[in-house]
Amino acid sequence: NAGVTQTPKFRVLKTGQSMTLLCAQDMNHEYMYWYRQDPGMGLRLIHYSVGEGTTAKGEVPDGYNVSRLKKQNFLLGLESAAPSQTSVYFCASSYGASGGLTDTQYFGPGTRLTVL
Amino acid sequence: AQSVTQLGSHVSVSEGALVLLRCNYSSSVPPYLFWYVQYPNQGLQLLLKYTSAATLVKGINGFEAEFKKSETSFHLTKPSAHMSDAAEYFCAVSDRAGIIRKLIWGLGTSLAVNP
Repeated sequence: NAGVTQTPKFRVLKTGQSMTLLCAQDMNHEYMYWYRQDPGMGLRLIHYSVGEGTTAKGEVPDGYNVSRLKKQNFLLGLESAAPSQTSVYFCASSYGASGGLTDTQYFGPGTRLTVL
Repeated sequence: AQSVTQLGSHVSVSEGALVLLRCNYSSSVPPYLFWYVQYPNQGLQLLLKYTSAATLVKGINGFEAEFKKSETSFHLTKPSAHMSDAAEYFCAVSDRAGIIRKLIWGLGTSLAVNP
């Protein structure tokens, strides 16, 4: 099993450009998450999904959109990139038992995004 | 509101020495607690978790943590550090009281292991 994969690994954007980050998991997990990791700020949840066709806002959703059209994929979109969105983005997935509260989250390797 | 505090953003130990990484939590409900590790340029992976069963939890790579309700702590220990333990360690608590289904993360502790 590949686990959780993320595409691309690195990307440089100019302010105002758009892009989509792709996350794929092959563990048949119900729940999927998008985080951003910034120095001194830990991990912050952007959006999450508790099943195919559903999405919900996390702690820092502004400037991002997501879609979960297929159970195995979770897409994160930046419509108009800003320098404040320079970060490392992690996707994670979990089984979804007990409402996700005791789940182990499985993380992808991350996407390093720089917005100039 | 639930929260997690990791004491010490950087910890340095000698190879073979005891590793102790501190995590204190605040929670109005019985907590579910986690420790994750992040090796350089990688994603996070679970070390261990406490979900209200045994208070001493054993994880991967020789790590363990003890849930102490009276001290609101969930410190991570390993008897003998190895060079391969150098990484970033994150403590987290599951947000049982909130609307958003999320983990509340500490800011992380960077562990350096000196030869």
